[in-house]
Amino acid sequence: DIQMTQSPSSLSASVGDRVTITCRASQGISNYLAWYQQKPGKVPKLLIYAASTLQSGVPSRFSGSGSGTDFTLTISSLQPEDVATYYCQKYNSAPCSFGQGTKLEIK
Amino acid sequence: EVQLVESGGGLVQPGGSLRLSCAASGFTFSSYWMSWVRQAPGKGLEWVANIKQDGSEKYYVDSVKGRFTISRDNAKNSLYLQMNSLRAEDTAVYYCARDVWGSGSYWDYWGQGTLVTVSS
Repeated sequence: DIQMTQSPSSLSASVGDRVTITCRASQGISNYLAWYQQKPGKVPKLLIYAASTLQSGVPSRFSGSGSGTDFTLTISSLQPEDVATYYCQKYNSAPCSFGQGTKLEIK
Repeated sequence: EVQLVESGGGLVQPGGSLRLSCAASGFTFSSYWMSWVRQAPGKGLEWVANIKQDGSEKYYVDSVKGRFTISRDNAKNSLYLQMNSLRAEDTAVYYCARDVWGSGSYWDYWGQGTLVTVSS
């Protein structure tokens, strides 16, 4: 099975900072990659699919890139409401595995 | 408005069984693959199983194969997860989620989740 590895596991940044989270697949998955945001005590929310397509309603400060094995999620200007854990997920085939998550905090 | 409402969680002893249900509304349930995704307390997300629109294809994560069974009733707009031989490591919040694609998919709508605790 394909393994998904995120880095870093946790991250602290200041409001207004540009933040980048990386996700690496153990084998190529083309662009079958989604990103989710999970705020404390809340349900996961789909942010990005097909590696770079923004889900409807998601702020434009979020963006995704990558293909094959290496992917990134970028927040162009960090806002207080972005405090959350972020997960990448591959979906080229079952099992649809997740990365271990990146916990983002405000400095 | 798409709504997914899970029920059936609770406390069960190791080796016991539990059946989760998910009531769907606000969309044509029979047109979508559906999944169960779980999250152990303080841990990450783990896809558990999914099922095709007509129930003819089902997929499971290795750790639940032979113990869990996913099913659906399109007439009742409902998704189910029968969990047998439960183990402590099955303790988690179980989410019902709508697949956007087929057997390999991401999820655009999630329920609020139901907590399953396996403990003696």
